Amino acid sequence: LAKTTQPISMDSYEGQEVNITCSHNNIATNDYITWYQQFPSQGPRFIIQGYKTKVTNEVASLFIPADRKSSTLSLPRVSLSDTAVYYCLVGDGATNKLIFGTGTLLAVQP
Amino acid sequence: DSGVTQTPKHLITATGQRVTLRCSPRSGDLSVYWYQQSLDQGLQFLIQYYNGEERAKGNILERFSAQQFPDLHSELNLSSLELGDSALYFCASSDTGEGAMNTEAFFGQGTRLTVV
Repeated sequence: LAKTTQPISMDSYEGQEVNITCSHNNIATNDYITWYQQFPSQGPRFIIQGYKTKVTNEVASLFIPADRKSSTLSLPRVSLSDTAVYYCLVGDGATNKLIFGTGTLLAVQP
Repeated sequence: DSGVTQTPKHLITATGQRVTLRCSPRSGDLSVYWYQQSLDQGLQFLIQYYNGEERAKGNILERFSAQQFPDLHSELNLSSLELGDSALYFCASSDTGEGAMNTEAFFGQGTRLTVV
Protein backbone atom coordinates (compact mmCIF):
# COMPACT_ATOMS: atom_id res chain seq x y z
CA LEU A 1 0.00 0.00 0.00
CA ALA A 2 1.56 3.25 -1.16
CA LYS A 3 1.86 5.75 1.66
CA THR A 4 1.53 9.46 1.07
CA THR A 5 3.22 12.35 2.84
CA GLN A 6 1.88 15.90 2.73
CA PRO A 7 2.56 19.08 4.69
CA ILE A 8 0.26 19.32 7.67
CA SER A 9 -0.72 22.89 6.93
CA MET A 10 -0.19 25.79 4.54
CA ASP A 11 -1.12 29.45 4.62
CA SER A 12 -1.95 31.64 1.66
CA TYR A 13 -3.67 34.88 0.72
CA GLU A 14 -6.57 35.49 -1.58
CA GLY A 15 -5.59 35.68 -5.21
CA GLN A 16 -2.39 33.68 -4.86
CA GLU A 17 -1.59 30.39 -6.54
CA VAL A 18 -1.17 27.54 -4.08
CA ASN A 19 0.86 24.42 -4.73
CA ILE A 20 0.52 21.44 -2.39
CA THR A 21 3.02 18.65 -2.90
CA CYS A 22 2.47 15.04 -1.97
CA SER A 23 5.19 12.39 -1.77
CA HIS A 24 4.38 8.79 -2.65
CA ASN A 25 7.69 6.99 -3.07
CA ASN A 26 6.18 3.49 -3.20
CA ILE A 27 3.60 4.18 -5.88
CA ALA A 28 2.81 1.10 -7.97
CA THR A 29 2.65 0.92 -11.73
CA ASN A 30 -1.14 0.74 -11.86
CA ASP A 31 -1.81 3.36 -9.18
CA TYR A 32 -3.58 6.62 -9.94
CA ILE A 33 -3.14 9.81 -7.89
CA THR A 34 -6.29 11.47 -6.65
CA TRP A 35 -6.89 14.64 -4.65
CA TYR A 36 -9.91 15.39 -2.49
CA GLN A 37 -11.07 18.51 -0.68
CA GLN A 38 -12.89 18.44 2.63
CA PHE A 39 -14.67 21.26 4.44
CA PRO A 40 -15.45 20.93 8.18
CA SER A 41 -18.26 18.48 8.91
CA GLN A 42 -18.71 17.66 5.22
CA GLY A 43 -17.75 14.64 3.18
CA PRO A 44 -14.63 14.84 1.00
CA ARG A 45 -15.13 16.04 -2.56
CA PHE A 46 -13.15 14.86 -5.57
CA ILE A 47 -10.92 17.53 -7.09
CA ILE A 48 -8.71 15.90 -9.68
CA GLN A 49 -7.07 12.65 -10.68
CA GLY A 50 -4.11 11.75 -12.84
CA TYR A 51 -1.66 9.06 -13.77
CA LYS A 52 1.29 10.94 -15.25
CA THR A 53 2.37 14.34 -16.61
CA LYS A 54 -0.23 17.04 -16.21
CA VAL A 55 -3.98 17.11 -15.78
CA THR A 56 -6.09 20.25 -15.67
CA ASN A 57 -9.75 20.82 -14.96
CA GLU A 58 -11.87 23.83 -14.12
CA VAL A 59 -10.71 24.02 -10.52
CA ALA A 60 -7.13 22.73 -10.35
CA SER A 61 -4.09 21.31 -12.08
CA LEU A 62 -2.16 18.21 -11.14
CA PHE A 63 1.51 17.88 -11.99
CA ILE A 64 3.14 14.47 -11.89
CA PRO A 65 6.85 14.05 -12.71
CA ALA A 66 8.12 11.17 -14.79
CA ASP A 67 9.11 9.03 -11.79
CA ARG A 68 5.62 9.51 -10.26
CA LYS A 69 7.07 9.55 -6.76
CA SER A 70 5.41 12.84 -6.02
CA SER A 71 2.61 15.03 -7.28
CA THR A 72 1.65 18.68 -6.93
CA LEU A 73 -1.86 20.03 -6.70
CA SER A 74 -2.03 23.58 -8.01
CA LEU A 75 -4.93 25.86 -7.10
CA PRO A 76 -4.95 29.07 -9.13
CA ARG A 77 -5.96 32.32 -7.45
CA VAL A 78 -7.37 30.91 -4.23
CA SER A 79 -10.22 32.55 -2.37
CA LEU A 80 -11.37 32.38 1.23
CA SER A 81 -13.74 29.57 0.29
CA ASP A 82 -10.77 27.37 -0.64
CA THR A 83 -9.88 27.06 3.03
CA ALA A 84 -10.17 23.32 3.59
CA VAL A 85 -8.23 20.11 4.09
CA TYR A 86 -6.73 18.64 0.92
CA TYR A 87 -6.01 14.93 0.73
CA CYS A 88 -3.69 13.14 -1.65
CA LEU A 89 -4.54 9.50 -2.30
CA VAL A 90 -2.65 6.90 -4.25
CA GLY A 91 -4.52 4.01 -5.75
CA ASP A 92 -4.29 0.52 -4.39
CA GLY A 93 -6.14 -1.51 -6.96
CA ALA A 94 -5.08 -4.81 -5.41
CA THR A 95 -6.89 -4.26 -2.14
CA ASN A 96 -9.55 -1.80 -3.33
CA LYS A 97 -9.07 0.45 -0.33
CA LEU A 98 -9.58 4.20 -0.54
CA ILE A 99 -7.11 5.31 2.12
CA PHE A 100 -6.88 8.90 3.27
CA GLY A 101 -3.76 10.28 4.91
CA THR A 102 -3.63 13.19 7.30
CA GLY A 103 -4.16 15.79 4.59
CA THR A 104 -3.03 19.40 4.31
CA LEU A 105 -5.00 22.14 5.99
CA LEU A 106 -4.95 25.13 3.67
CA ALA A 107 -5.83 28.41 5.34
CA VAL A 108 -6.55 31.30 2.97
CA GLN A 109 -6.49 34.76 4.48
CA PRO A 110 -7.84 38.04 3.09
CA ASP B 1 -25.41 17.32 -3.83
CA SER B 2 -23.24 14.23 -4.32
CA GLY B 3 -26.20 11.90 -4.83
CA VAL B 4 -25.20 9.81 -1.82
CA THR B 5 -27.76 9.90 0.98
CA GLN B 6 -27.00 9.09 4.57
CA THR B 7 -29.53 8.81 7.38
CA PRO B 8 -29.88 9.88 10.06
CA LYS B 9 -27.87 13.11 9.99
CA HIS B 10 -27.53 13.17 13.75
CA LEU B 11 -27.78 10.43 16.35
CA ILE B 12 -27.38 10.62 20.10
CA THR B 13 -27.34 7.41 22.07
CA ALA B 14 -26.07 5.97 25.32
CA THR B 15 -23.08 3.76 25.93
CA GLY B 16 -23.76 0.07 25.43
CA GLN B 17 -26.47 0.68 22.85
CA ARG B 18 -26.63 -0.40 19.22
CA VAL B 19 -27.33 1.83 16.23
CA THR B 20 -27.69 1.40 12.50
CA LEU B 21 -26.51 3.95 9.96
CA ARG B 22 -27.92 3.84 6.47
CA CYS B 23 -26.41 4.81 3.14
CA SER B 24 -28.02 5.01 -0.29
CA PRO B 25 -25.37 5.21 -3.02
CA ARG B 26 -25.63 7.19 -6.22
CA SER B 27 -27.81 5.59 -8.82
CA GLY B 28 -25.79 2.99 -10.67
CA ASP B 29 -22.87 2.87 -8.25
CA LEU B 30 -22.02 -0.65 -7.14
CA SER B 31 -19.30 0.15 -4.58
CA VAL B 32 -19.98 1.53 -1.12
CA TYR B 33 -17.32 2.61 1.34
CA TRP B 34 -17.67 3.45 5.03
CA TYR B 35 -15.43 5.83 6.95
CA GLN B 36 -15.14 7.05 10.51
CA GLN B 37 -13.84 10.54 11.21
CA SER B 38 -13.09 11.67 14.72
CA LEU B 39 -11.08 14.67 15.81
CA ASP B 40 -8.03 12.72 16.86
CA GLN B 41 -8.06 9.99 14.20
CA GLY B 42 -8.70 11.65 10.89
CA LEU B 43 -10.63 9.88 8.14
CA GLN B 44 -10.40 6.14 8.80
CA PHE B 45 -11.42 3.60 6.18
CA LEU B 46 -13.69 0.95 7.67
CA ILE B 47 -15.00 -1.31 4.94
CA GLN B 48 -15.98 -1.54 1.28
CA TYR B 49 -18.73 -3.49 -0.42
CA TYR B 50 -19.14 -4.15 -4.11
CA ASN B 51 -22.45 -5.38 -5.47
CA GLY B 52 -23.40 -6.98 -2.19
CA GLU B 53 -20.08 -8.57 -1.34
CA GLU B 54 -17.40 -7.40 1.05
CA ARG B 55 -14.45 -6.26 -1.04
CA ALA B 56 -12.01 -4.67 1.39
CA LYS B 57 -11.73 -4.22 5.13
CA GLY B 58 -9.91 -1.54 7.04
CA ASN B 59 -9.76 -0.60 10.69
CA ILE B 60 -13.22 -1.82 11.55
CA LEU B 61 -13.83 -2.99 15.09
CA GLU B 62 -15.45 -6.36 15.79
CA ARG B 63 -18.34 -4.48 17.42
CA PHE B 64 -19.05 -2.92 14.03
CA SER B 65 -20.51 -4.70 11.03
CA ALA B 66 -21.86 -3.72 7.67
CA GLN B 67 -23.76 -5.15 4.76
CA GLN B 68 -24.92 -4.15 1.31
CA PHE B 69 -28.38 -5.18 0.24
CA PRO B 70 -29.65 -6.28 -3.20
CA ASP B 71 -30.93 -2.76 -3.88
CA LEU B 72 -27.32 -1.61 -3.19
CA HIS B 73 -28.05 0.44 -0.12
CA SER B 74 -25.76 -0.28 2.79
CA GLU B 75 -26.04 -0.29 6.55
CA LEU B 76 -23.35 0.09 9.16
CA ASN B 77 -24.21 -1.46 12.50
CA LEU B 78 -22.43 -0.25 15.60
CA SER B 79 -22.98 -2.19 18.84
CA SER B 80 -21.88 -2.00 22.46
CA LEU B 81 -21.20 1.66 21.85
CA GLU B 82 -18.46 3.43 23.75
CA LEU B 83 -17.78 7.11 24.25
CA GLY B 84 -14.86 6.82 21.84
CA ASP B 85 -17.19 5.79 19.03
CA SER B 86 -18.50 9.34 18.85
CA ALA B 87 -17.55 10.55 15.39
CA LEU B 88 -18.74 11.48 11.93
CA TYR B 89 -19.46 8.42 9.83
CA PHE B 90 -19.26 8.89 6.08
CA CYS B 91 -20.42 6.72 3.28
CA ALA B 92 -19.07 7.01 -0.25
CA SER B 93 -19.95 5.31 -3.51
CA SER B 94 -18.27 4.75 -6.84
CA ASP B 95 -19.10 2.94 -10.03
CA THR B 96 -16.23 0.50 -10.00
CA GLY B 97 -15.24 -2.52 -7.96
CA GLU B 98 -11.60 -1.72 -8.43
CA GLY B 99 -11.70 0.80 -5.64
CA ALA B 100 -11.92 4.44 -6.62
CA MET B 101 -8.38 4.72 -7.78
CA ASN B 102 -9.17 5.44 -11.40
CA THR B 103 -12.55 6.99 -10.96
CA GLU B 104 -14.34 9.40 -8.69
CA ALA B 105 -15.83 8.52 -5.33
CA PHE B 106 -18.82 10.49 -4.07
CA PHE B 107 -19.32 11.11 -0.38
CA GLY B 108 -22.47 11.65 1.59
CA GLN B 109 -22.90 14.37 4.19
CA GLY B 110 -22.27 11.96 7.01
CA THR B 111 -23.99 10.86 10.19
CA ARG B 112 -22.82 12.52 13.37
CA LEU B 113 -22.94 9.99 16.17
CA THR B 114 -22.70 11.16 19.76
CA VAL B 115 -22.41 8.54 22.47
CA VAL B 116 -23.18 9.81 25.96
